[in-house]
Amino acid sequence: DTGVSQDPRHKITKRGQNVTFRCDPISEHNRLYWYRQTLGQGPEFLTYFQNEAQLEKSRLLSDRFSAERPKGSFSTLEIQRTEQGDSAMYLCASSLGSGYHYGYTFGSGTRLTVV
Amino acid sequence: QQQVKQSPQSLIVQKGGISIINCAYENTAFDYFPWYQQFPGKGPALLIAIRPDVSEKKEGRFTISFNKSAKQFSLHIMDSQPGDSATYFCAAMTIQGGSEKLVFGKGTKLTVNP
Repeated sequence: DTGVSQDPRHKITKRGQNVTFRCDPISEHNRLYWYRQTLGQGPEFLTYFQNEAQLEKSRLLSDRFSAERPKGSFSTLEIQRTEQGDSAMYLCASSLGSGYHYGYTFGSGTRLTVV
Repeated sequence: QQQVKQSPQSLIVQKGGISIINCAYENTAFDYFPWYQQFPGKGPALLIAIRPDVSEKKEGRFTISFNKSAKQFSLHIMDSQPGDSATYFCAAMTIQGGSEKLVFGKGTKLTVNP
């Protein structure tokens, strides 16, 4: 499968715990994006990377959230001290260049449930 | 502030019918308007996209109509099939300022009855 891969697919955690998600983009794609989707809503932009540089961050990305793409390949999204409001589907997408020109390919997401 | 408003929230169509989903945007800087299809448990998949230099784009059974002056665009699915049953999202973005932020509507759940 050469699509965008996300791991884990599902995560249940207790409030206050830290969680980390991983995204493996399509291999030749240099841009990687994180979105959050809550039930009944469209995805909301969180952040994006061009290679290893984090170039844009949404105000939704509070201090408890951190994203990295250390070698310009896979990316991780960490949420510290999880809250019930963090329960959502976290989607990763990648693009060969700017998504404006090349389009975005989304993964199947990681569904986080905070109990 | 919701920048892209999508309607209806849900839609039921008979097989062979036409499904129409509408979106309106506020930011006149938006100049890329894609539609995504999402099945349960999957991420959104790009269906079709349009830029404001054309008023209509057709790919197979899917057509986008774009009205720049009204700041509206719509998706038409001709000869709707049960396999089209999914949630559809309109989206918009502008590359001005180097932003890569795609703004989505809230989605339309389409059910096509056999």
